[in-house]
Parts: sequence; C-alpha cells; structure tokens
Amino acid sequence: QKEVEQNSGPLSVPEGAIASLNCTYSDRVSQSFFWYRQYSGKSPELIMSIYSNGDKEDGRFTAQLNKASQYVSLLIRDSQPSDSATYLCAVNRDSSYKLIFGSGTRLLVRP
Amino acid sequence: DVKVTQSSRYLVKRTGEKVFLECVQDMDHENMFWYRQDPGLGLRLIYFSYDVKMKEKGDIPEGYSVSREKKERFSLILESASTNQTSMYLCASSTEQGIGADTQYFGPGTRLTVL
Repeated sequence: QKEVEQNSGPLSVPEGAIASLNCTYSDRVSQSFFWYRQYSGKSPELIMSIYSNGDKEDGRFTAQLNKASQYVSLLIRDSQPSDSATYLCAVNRDSSYKLIFGSGTRLLVRP
Repeated sequence: DVKVTQSSRYLVKRTGEKVFLECVQDMDHENMFWYRQDPGLGLRLIYFSYDVKMKEKGDIPEGYSVSREKKERFSLILESASTNQTSMYLCASSTEQGIGADTQYFGPGTRLTVL
C-alpha cells in the first residue's frame, strides 16, 4: 500500500463546477497535510495546509481533513480553466519535517 | 514571500560528468530538501538537510551526494552522471518555527538531461 494515495485522473469538470480531489494516507501519526498545485513543466506551489480535523476555507478552495478515516480532500468551487493542473497531496511522515507526496491527480476544467 | 532559487532551469550533461545543482533560499529556513520528479513516480526525496553541515539520506540517495556549508545554500552533486539520472530536480526549504512549520516551498526546478 502506498503511503499517500491519489487517483491519477484525469478528473474532468466543466467550468463553474465544483472539483473534488481526494487523498488517503497510511501513517496514523501524521499531523500536517498539504495540497500543492503543479502546472506542467513547473514546480509545485502551495495551495493550502491543514492540521486539524474539519474544513478550512481559503477563497474558492476548501480543504477537509478526517484523521479517523485518514482522508484529506480539496474542493475547488467555481472551477476555472486556469485551475487545470496536477494537484499533489502531501503528508508529513515519521513525525518529522519530511513530507511524502502522492503521485497527484490531474484536473481538467473544460471551458 | 519565500524565495527559493535554483542555479539552472535546463542542463545538459554527458555520461560520467560530475554535475553540481545549486539551491539558495532567502528565508533563513533550517530545512532544505532535494527531490527528483519523474512521470508516474511522483516526487522522491533524495537528501535532506536540517542544519548546516547536517544531512540525511532520503529514499533514493544512490549516485548522489549533497553539501550544505551555509544555511541558505544546499547543493546536490551527481558524482558521475548516468542516463537514468535524467529528470526534473526540485529543491525545497521549510522552517521548524511557528505556525506553518514544515510547509515546504519549492524552487523552479532544474530539468537535467544526461546524454
């Protein structure tokens, strides 16, 4: 079992719809969770971090964390074509500052 | 804003050459990381440094070494480049202090091709 699992996609949604990206992780002691966006040929950029169970909202983005289910998700409201990218889920490991990354979900927003 | 820079965006080297990739961060971060990213394999940690002159092997250290002589600079060294080291190399940094500790910020990446 991979330590951080994501559906590779592509996830295709129409412009204006809600995109829902999911991630599961295996290490129960993980405390820090991150979503990064990566455009083709570019480096990952941080979208959101979340540390506590529940929802965290930032503009059109909402991160959701459920530690009991070892599940973290990212919702993108009012999706735009410019949101088309690969979204990486990352989780800290070994109670350290190292992160382990999922392989990413490719999102396509159709105009 | 955190700024992480890498010495080259694109690099072409020949098999057997010694290759240096440089990374500099301007936020006084304690931790610095080197990853490589390959299609289908995601981001894999090569080496990690948590302080000057301190380093720790990541998941795929074979064929690589690192140097951190100053806090802001972390170098990745390919002792004898091979074609299977053709990849995108990403440097990142993070702090151990305060809210948002362990958030990693990435440089623009170096696309290395070994012929």
